[in-house]
Amino acid sequence: DAGVIQSPRHEVTEMGQEVTLRCKPISGHDYLFWYRQTMMRGLELLIYFNNNVPIDDSGMPEDRFSAKMPNASFSTLKIQPSEPRDSAVYFCASRDTGTSGDIQYFGAGTRLSVL
Amino acid sequence: GENVEQHPSTLSVQEGDSAVIKCTYSDSASNYFPWYKQELGKGPQLIIDIRSNVGEKKDQRIAVTLNKTAKHFSLHITETQPEDSAVYFCAASKGSARQLTFGSGTQLTVLP
Repeated sequence: DAGVIQSPRHEVTEMGQEVTLRCKPISGHDYLFWYRQTMMRGLELLIYFNNNVPIDDSGMPEDRFSAKMPNASFSTLKIQPSEPRDSAVYFCASRDTGTSGDIQYFGAGTRLSVL
Repeated sequence: GENVEQHPSTLSVQEGDSAVIKCTYSDSASNYFPWYKQELGKGPQLIIDIRSNVGEKKDQRIAVTLNKTAKHFSLHITETQPEDSAVYFCAASKGSARQLTFGSGTQLTVLP
């Protein structure tokens, strides 16, 4: 498998614009996690899904953030409207409770810059 | 919620020496403790993990120890090599979802 695939790798946008980050988890994995990494706050969990259903979104910073998982092979994280403080690296990770157990596999991340 | 503290934030060692990174956690219900390595421009990658029913685990040059009573766990890297240079994160989790709470990271530099 190619691993967790995130797109785009880099995104530069202007304040107020809508941003959509995409994630393709490893095939067969039943959990999907979205994390944000900043110098100030480190790696923090935003939201996670189990079998495409959002389970815990308590880490989502504001209503401007939303996430969906329409099927087992695709998830999006949307920010609308974007603000400069949203600039960060966003990671998606997936996990298979069956074969790999506890291990979360991370994608390469999307570096978001909001000007 | 869970709080994970990690020390030191930076660590420089000579090639061939050992490196030790320490973490403490606050939630006594946490029972899974992975360590991730993050290289520049890449996502975190698991290097070793330990569960609360085990006190120590070793994989070649890497070992992790866990003290449940004191609620701390440590990463030990022996015979360090320049390719070990990276940021290392500890994490703690509990429950079936295994959502992770990360430490703040340690920038390890191995000097040739």
